[in-house]
Amino acid sequence: KAGVTQTPRYLIKTRGQQVTLSCSPISGHRSVSWYQQTPGQGLQFLFEYFSETQRNKGNFPGRFSGRQFSNSRSEMNVSTLELGDSALYLCASSLAGQVQETQYFGPGTRLLVL
Amino acid sequence: QQQVKQSPQSLIVQKGGISIINCAYENTAFDYFPWYQQFPGKGPALLIAIRPDVSEKKEGRFTISFNKSAKQFSLHIMDSQPGDSATYFCAAKNSGGYQKVTFGTGTKLQVIP
Repeated sequence: KAGVTQTPRYLIKTRGQQVTLSCSPISGHRSVSWYQQTPGQGLQFLFEYFSETQRNKGNFPGRFSGRQFSNSRSEMNVSTLELGDSALYLCASSLAGQVQETQYFGPGTRLLVL
Repeated sequence: QQQVKQSPQSLIVQKGGISIINCAYENTAFDYFPWYQQFPGKGPALLIAIRPDVSEKKEGRFTISFNKSAKQFSLHIMDSQPGDSATYFCAAKNSGGYQKVTFGTGTKLQVIP
């Protein structure tokens, strides 16, 4: 079974631009979560989608948004990029999003904002 | 707000030794505690997890000890190997949060031959 895939793997943007990142979960998985990883703040939860509905959200400004499609693929969007948005963005999927289910992480998209 | 505190930040252990990483949490609503292992260039991968009604769980060379009253838990890696060199994150989840994971700050482990 293929793992979680994320595209693109690397991205360079300038301040003020917007960016869209894509995540394809493991086949059959319906829950997709997004995390931001930085050296300063560590791993922080952004949001979780299940069956096209956002059912949990972390403490990030409204510039960070996401969506999930009917095939469970997910995208996250960051508008009006700031230097502090430079990070590794990780996507994780699980079967039904229950607490004790294993989440499988993708390799991440590394975003650099100049 | 850091809800899961992790120490040490980095750890150097000799091959064959025991690696110990400690975590403490504040939110009593947390009811599931996974540990993740992350290698450079990869996403985190689940290593082992424990529920608070269990005081210890062992899987191979990895053991989690859990102290509910102290709100502390720890990971022990027995017979540490160079291949265990990675960053380890403790984490916490609560039933109402589905897959929302609150991570500790991470411990970079280096196992030297």
